[in-house]
Amino acid sequence: AQTVTQSQPEMSVQEAETVTLSCTYDTSENNYYLFWYKQPPSRQMILVIRQEAYKQQNATENRFSVNFQKAAKSFSLKISDSQLGDTAMYFCAFMRGATSGTYKYIFGTGTRLKVLA
Amino acid sequence: ETGVTQTPRHLVMGMTNKKSLKCEQHLGHNAMYWYKQSAKKPLELMFVYSLEERVENNSVPSRFSPECPNSSHLFLHLHTLQPEDSALYLCASSQGEGGTQYFGPGTRLTVL
Repeated sequence: AQTVTQSQPEMSVQEAETVTLSCTYDTSENNYYLFWYKQPPSRQMILVIRQEAYKQQNATENRFSVNFQKAAKSFSLKISDSQLGDTAMYFCAFMRGATSGTYKYIFGTGTRLKVLA
Repeated sequence: ETGVTQTPRHLVMGMTNKKSLKCEQHLGHNAMYWYKQSAKKPLELMFVYSLEERVENNSVPSRFSPECPNSSHLFLHLHTLQPEDSALYLCASSQGEGGTQYFGPGTRLTVL
């Protein structure tokens, strides 16, 4: 069975600094997708970044980038130049590929990030 | 943030009440989802609809009854709920089953 683990329940970072949120997962699948979602205090979940497992290049989206280590089953999120608006709950998620059978979309327990002024 | 809307945003109900949560997506997606978000627990997928047919039901109690009349609308009918059902209920939609999901703001449900 697939699992997603976020081992850091809470983190804080000074404004303009860089922070890395960790995520590990367990799967026997070869075709899958990984996501980081952000849920600000207003509660609307927003997609931050998406990574296809078959792509070796790490995904980047402005100040957000991932370090995808497929062999280690690790998918960490790096936030550069942290801003106060980055304060939120961050969820790592795993999705099994369509060719792998029935639908499966699993979320981690989340990391609460606070950016300090 | 207006791609997926949910109403009501807050709901307080007694255990004997019947109520419904509504979700509407304006993104042209063909798959919709209901999630339950409780404190200190992973997001729990409840139901998945693809092309208006239910394709996933993750052992959800029958007191929760989903309805998907068309690809833009999704309902969650609630009856005889328990206090432990109090949570944030999130709706999401995607293009294709398993595609990147876009979430609504959620309905904060409190069962007394």
